[in-house]
Amino acid sequence: QSALTQPRSMSGSPGQSVTISCTGTSNDVAGYDYVSWYQQHPGKVPKLIIYDVSQRPSGVPDRFSGAKSGFTASLTISGLQAEDEADYYCCSFAGSHTWVFGGGTKLTVL
Amino acid sequence: QVQLAQSGAEMKKPGASVTVSCRASGYTFNAYYLYWVRQAPGQGLEWLGWIDPNSGRTTYAQKFKGRLTLTRDTSVSSTYMALTSLKSDDTAIYYCARARLNYGSGYHTFVPWGQGTLVTVSS
Repeated sequence: QSALTQPRSMSGSPGQSVTISCTGTSNDVAGYDYVSWYQQHPGKVPKLIIYDVSQRPSGVPDRFSGAKSGFTASLTISGLQAEDEADYYCCSFAGSHTWVFGGGTKLTVL
Repeated sequence: QVQLAQSGAEMKKPGASVTVSCRASGYTFNAYYLYWVRQAPGQGLEWLGWIDPNSGRTTYAQKFKGRLTLTRDTSVSSTYMALTSLKSDDTAIYYCARARLNYGSGYHTFVPWGQGTLVTVSS
């Protein structure tokens, strides 16, 4: 149950797109289409922004999109806005009623 | 609406145990899986364990087996996380969260979350 691998930090200017990767193994990311993404602002509770690899909950802007290829899932944020500056975590089912998070990515909007 | 209300902050000495509660409201408690996640200061999210409130069945992250126990009391719609042999690196905010749905792929997504409970371990 090792943590999924995410870049520690990324940055982008307003209006740009950024893609955050989340790399796992055949026991988690590659083995199941159950990857979710959470956004966390400082001092706040994590918020679900993507589930089942690419599904957006109601109320989440369509600037947020998710995908997966093999061992790597990704979160793309298009048209970056100041309020997108936050920490982002991926999470994958890992079989047998266990789940694993990524280490988190700090996104800075320049 | 669906809410998870957690107990208040705790301060413990190394070697002690702590129990954090999570009371659910706004839905049928037995019908949805519950999860526990923690976040050490300045660190990422770490999945701790899962409980099926209907059966009481649990699974735990490997690193916590033997120290972590999840239980539930259906009469008060609550789940409890007990962690023993506390160390300083157990200092963290502990969250409970519910499965998005009570079927299919909904088991694999955590929403909503409780407000978090800060557990501080210090001598």
